[in-house]
Amino acid sequence: SYVLTQPPSVSVAPGKTAKITCGGNNIGTKSVHWYQQKPGRAPLLVVYDDRDRPSGIPERFSGSNSGNTATLTINRVEAGDGADYYCQVWDSGSDHPGVFGGGTKVTVL
Amino acid sequence: QVQLVQSGAEVKAPGSSVRVSCKASGDTLTNYAISWVRQAPGQGLEWMGRIIPVPAIINYAQKFQGRVTFTADKSTNTAYMELTSLKSEDTAIYYCARVLTTYYESGLGYWGQGTQVTVSS
Repeated sequence: SYVLTQPPSVSVAPGKTAKITCGGNNIGTKSVHWYQQKPGRAPLLVVYDDRDRPSGIPERFSGSNSGNTATLTINRVEAGDGADYYCQVWDSGSDHPGVFGGGTKVTVL
Repeated sequence: QVQLVQSGAEVKAPGSSVRVSCKASGDTLTNYAISWVRQAPGQGLEWMGRIIPVPAIINYAQKFQGRVTFTADKSTNTAYMELTSLKSEDTAIYYCARVLTTYYESGLGYWGQGTQVTVSS
């Protein structure tokens, strides 16, 4: 089945830019969705279809996807952005269509 | 606005079954694809499967084939997940999640609050 690879952790200072990668074979041909999860809370969709933001998500969150890597970028990082972030794709036609990456813990220094 | 409210925490004995409900308000749940996702303690998100109302397809992750059943009740706007032959490794928070748009492979834009299932003798 399809595999998504994320770095376990990313550290960033407030006001700086955080980049979280999600690697997968030809992931650029798939639509990537990104979720933020804070402790004790359900996941929250922050980017869908590679680069679109749901209503209410700040413009500081953006996404890109090409080749074998998708990236979630958080500009002007705030303390409240500290959370676990997961990428997700639909591997249509496979026997396991829903695939999540292993998650990346973002620590705001 | 759309809200998904799940049933309460469960403690189950090994070998038993559990059924978790997911009731929607603000929209018709059964018009959208609904996924079930679980998260074991300290672990990442694990997709269990989905129910797609049109064209009436249910996908189960291979890991859960034969042990899990998804259903949906239009009259009560509620989805259900039943997991049988419970093992200690099934201890986790179980989430229902609805796609953001009517496209069945959109992002999971609406999530229930989660249901803690604990399997213990």
